[in-house]
Amino acid sequence: KQEVTQIPAALSVPEGENLVLNCSFTDSAIYNLQWFRQDPGKGLTSLLLIQSSQREQTSGRLNASLDKSSGRSTLYIAASQPGDSATYLCAVIIQGAQKLVFGQGTRLTINP
Amino acid sequence: DGGITQSPKYLFRKEGQNVTLSCEQNLNHDAMYWYRQDPGQGLRLIYYSQIVNDFQKGDIAEGYSVSREKKESFPLTVTSAQKNPTAFYLCASSLDSPNYGYTFGSGTRLTVV
Repeated sequence: KQEVTQIPAALSVPEGENLVLNCSFTDSAIYNLQWFRQDPGKGLTSLLLIQSSQREQTSGRLNASLDKSSGRSTLYIAASQPGDSATYLCAVIIQGAQKLVFGQGTRLTINP
Repeated sequence: DGGITQSPKYLFRKEGQNVTLSCEQNLNHDAMYWYRQDPGQGLRLIYYSQIVNDFQKGDIAEGYSVSREKKESFPLTVTSAQKNPTAFYLCASSLDSPNYGYTFGSGTRLTVV
């Protein structure tokens, strides 16, 4: 059974810092990995989608990497801002099932 | 703009009642999904449908039912058999190919009163 783990569960940093969020998964047979952002009481907003043949994707200040062989992904946020405060979720799409399996998220707080 | 619309945003249910949560998408996506989110437990898959008139149980389908009569719509009914229905419910959709990722709605918060 595919399991996804995100570390740390919570992170608080001062504004302007660069930071890394981690995601690991137990089974490397995945189609893709997708990073989402969730604000309190809201739905999920897709940030980046990395296909299994890719190693990284970039969007603005965000960069996500994928290493299938080691079962790891990282989300790098450059020059963090208070508006980046949210919960960040990673999810893998299982081969053959087309289902998303989620980690429990990292709650990020950026302090002004 | 294309997207997923969930309604209502907040829903209150009395003990023993069935309630239906609406999910509509205008993205022309083939597949639709329902997830439940509880604090500290992440998102869990309730039901999914990859084509009209067909759907499959997810990991926590007991006490829930769905229908997929139209490509655009995938309503979820929370029945009285669901013992702990208070949660945040999220609907999602995707194209048939997983290469394009998933799109989520804004959620419905269900509370038992």
